[in-house]
Amino acid sequence: AQSVTQLGSHVSVSEGALVLLRCNYSSSVPPYLFWYVQYPNQGLQLLLKYTTGATLVKGINGFEAEFKKSETSFHLTKPSAHMSDAAEYFCAVSFNDYKLSFGAGTTVTVRA
Amino acid sequence: DGGITQSPKYLFRKEGQNVTLSCEQNLNHDAMYWYRQDPGQGLRLIYYSQIVNDFQKGDIAEGYSVSREKKESFPLTVTSAQKNPTAFYLCASIGQDEQFFGPGTRLTVL
Repeated sequence: AQSVTQLGSHVSVSEGALVLLRCNYSSSVPPYLFWYVQYPNQGLQLLLKYTTGATLVKGINGFEAEFKKSETSFHLTKPSAHMSDAAEYFCAVSFNDYKLSFGAGTTVTVRA
Repeated sequence: DGGITQSPKYLFRKEGQNVTLSCEQNLNHDAMYWYRQDPGQGLRLIYYSQIVNDFQKGDIAEGYSVSREKKESFPLTVTSAQKNPTAFYLCASIGQDEQFFGPGTRLTVL
């Protein structure tokens, strides 16, 4: 069975600093990979996804992620944090069966 | 505007009562999903439906039931058999390899 691990349940960064959120998956075959963002009491919004092709994926709001098959990772980065980036972030995987498996989530706080 | 709507946004239930959460989509998507979200646990799949009049159990289906009589609608019933129903419930549908989520319903059992 596949699983998704997000390292760090809470991350605190200064405004303007690098945001790095880590995601690793366990699977013998490469999955489809997703990052979602959730603001309090709202649904999830897709930031970016990897299905096939280029392993560096750019998403909305300045975020990007790189699929590294050898490391079974899909870490999310943003070069310069903004106050509006404070939210909870979820990594998810699927294997083309249209079911998503989610990590436990990482809450990002941004310090002024 | 196309999207997914969930109602109500907040729901309170007494112990022992069944309650139904609404999920409607106008995206013309075939597949729909229900997830439960608890703090620190991510989202867990309750039920999903890939086509009208058909649905499958997810990872935590006990104490829940669903129906899929129309493509646009996928209501979730939380029954009295669900031992710990207080949670945030999210409905989603899938199109173009991407799941689209509704705004969620927060259920509190009093």
